[in-house]
Amino acid sequence: DQQVKQNSPSLSVQEGRISILNCDYTNSMFDYFLWYKKYPAEGPTFLISISSIKDKNEDGRFTVFLNKSAKHLSLHIVPSQPGDSAVYFCAASARYGGSQGNLIFGKGTKLSVKP
Amino acid sequence: ETGVTQTPRHLVMGMTNKKSLKCEQHLGHNAMYWYKQSAKKPLELMFVYNFKEQTENNSVPSRFSPECPNSSHLFLHLHTLQPEDSALYLCASSQENRGWEETQYFGPGTRLLVL
Repeated sequence: DQQVKQNSPSLSVQEGRISILNCDYTNSMFDYFLWYKKYPAEGPTFLISISSIKDKNEDGRFTVFLNKSAKHLSLHIVPSQPGDSAVYFCAASARYGGSQGNLIFGKGTKLSVKP
Repeated sequence: ETGVTQTPRHLVMGMTNKKSLKCEQHLGHNAMYWYKQSAKKPLELMFVYNFKEQTENNSVPSRFSPECPNSSHLFLHLHTLQPEDSALYLCASSQENRGWEETQYFGPGTRLLVL
């Protein structure tokens, strides 16, 4: 059973608009969340993270929002650029419990930003 | 060279072959990981090494055998693989597998095809 879910396999957005990628999780022990970006033929690249003590973290055009009560996080990219076209993975880890520190990944969402 | 490197980038092998995947990290980290990414599946954690000691074996078949001679190098020895083992194998590293707000950095992966 998947603990981290990215229910949209793909998303298409116009350049300059906002991209919103969503992620849901089921394990309430998760306390650290990350987004990775992956281009074809490359490994995932760390993008941004958020600790469970926060509800928002911003880095340039990228903002991650965390709603703990809903067990939901989202990545906002604004403005979107064609170079943002990639697969985005959501990942989560737990400080306590079994397999602490190990990342659990979602299946990814393929973002296409059209010029 | 910087970051996490993996060789070879592509590998085709028969079911009776023995081959090895190599990973090297130049980040001064103490934890290293092997992941498997199959089509339409999330990244699956295979093995974790923390300070050269294996701390996690995620129910991986014995035809996959990891080796970590030092904190900078990680190998995955392959023998008598099955066609369903064809996947992208990713190596990652982090400061240490301490279970708290760890960010893992990935190599480019080895694309493996088992015939």
